[in-house]
Amino acid sequence: DAKTTQPNSMESNEEEPVHLPCNHSTISGTDYIHWYRQLPSQGPEYVIHGLTSNVNNRMASLAIAEDRKSSTLILHRATLRDAAVYYCIRISYNTDKLIFGTGTRLQVFP
Amino acid sequence: EPEVTQTPSHQVTQMGQEVILRCVPISNHLYFYWYRQILGQKVEFLVSFYNNEISEKSEIFDDQFSVERPDGSNFTLKIRSTKLEDSAMYFCASNQEGAGFNEKLFFGSGTQLSVL
Repeated sequence: DAKTTQPNSMESNEEEPVHLPCNHSTISGTDYIHWYRQLPSQGPEYVIHGLTSNVNNRMASLAIAEDRKSSTLILHRATLRDAAVYYCIRISYNTDKLIFGTGTRLQVFP
Repeated sequence: EPEVTQTPSHQVTQMGQEVILRCVPISNHLYFYWYRQILGQKVEFLVSFYNNEISEKSEIFDDQFSVERPDGSNFTLKIRSTKLEDSAMYFCASNQEGAGFNEKLFFGSGTQLSVL
């Protein structure tokens, strides 16, 4: 049970921002929120993670709701290479494993 | 950026045969993992390995599966007697501190196992 809910698919045009939502309403106070993506025929790739505060890195931004029941992955300018399945994953502090759901398949159009 | 390397990229085997999938994790990493993905399905956790011991395993990881770090660089997954349902893409992963500890996981590009 991935315990997160994401839309099955989203679409974007190249160069536009993309906001990928994730619902994790039963999250506990010690669960981290991680985002991974999987490009076609590739292994999962780390994107970003956070606990309470918003986070930025060279790939994306992560906006975490104040009550932590939801989060949004933001790709500031989508490129064709960003077409992938994006997974929002909760990770408890006391486990090593990632539990993948079905993710959101992002299509990017030129 | 350093990479997790998996060999071979494709492996075909006959049902009932033993197969060993090989991985070279990133050199200074201490935690090692195997995941698998059956075609069209979710990525599934199999096992985590630290300090030469299994730290966590899933229900999928039964007695037919074993893992080993035979030397300082390789990490292997052995399936003793393969079944048709073992056909999947197998991903090796590694990190320094463990996925639950504010740390990212590095995945290899996978080995596609086909059991005939």
